[in-house]
Amino acid sequence: GENVEQHPSTLSVQEGDSAVIKCTYSDSASNYFPWYKQELGKRPQLIIDIRSNVGEKKDQRIAVTLNKTAKHFSLHITETQPEDSAVYFCAASLSYGQNFVFGPGTRLSVLP
Amino acid sequence: EPEVTQTPSHQVTQMGQEVILRCVPISNHLYFYWYRQILGQKVEFLVSFYNNEISEKSEIFDDQFSVERPDGSNFTLKIRSTKLEDSAMYFCASSDLGERYGYTFGSGTRLTVV
Repeated sequence: GENVEQHPSTLSVQEGDSAVIKCTYSDSASNYFPWYKQELGKRPQLIIDIRSNVGEKKDQRIAVTLNKTAKHFSLHITETQPEDSAVYFCAASLSYGQNFVFGPGTRLSVLP
Repeated sequence: EPEVTQTPSHQVTQMGQEVILRCVPISNHLYFYWYRQILGQKVEFLVSFYNNEISEKSEIFDDQFSVERPDGSNFTLKIRSTKLEDSAMYFCASSDLGERYGYTFGSGTRLTVV
């Protein structure tokens, strides 16, 4: 079955700097890759997603890139703010609407 | 924005007891899911439900677990004979196949088995 790895497990950046979180997946049939942000004690919230027919997607300060050949995808947050501090989970699924396999998460801390 | 609603927010139960976790998915969604998250760990898939039947389940979802959609709005997860290791946050989610709402998680039920 699908296996999703995520790096780094923790990441600290200064406010205003960029943060990059990388994920790899094992099943080449996976074609939908969402990213979730989870604040302490709260539910995961979808922040951006990408499908396999797209190499990059951007939404304001957040962007995701996908390399299907290498089976990895990355989350890029620019101009980080303290409110970006949270745990970020990547996930992969065979198609939109199917169950997800989540990565182990990255705890991002944005230092003022 | 439409939400997935879960009740209760926190449930404490004695080991060996049965619990029912309740969810109200977004009304026009067709796919429903249960995930769990043990404290400090990743989110794990339990089961997906479509057209009134289980469409997929993980190894975690053994005979101790069952799901039901008893009416047009509720989606429940039943855990029989709870164990200490069932203590976790349980998230319900729903989705459709369209672009509009994506895959939405509920706010979760924290289950504590004592």
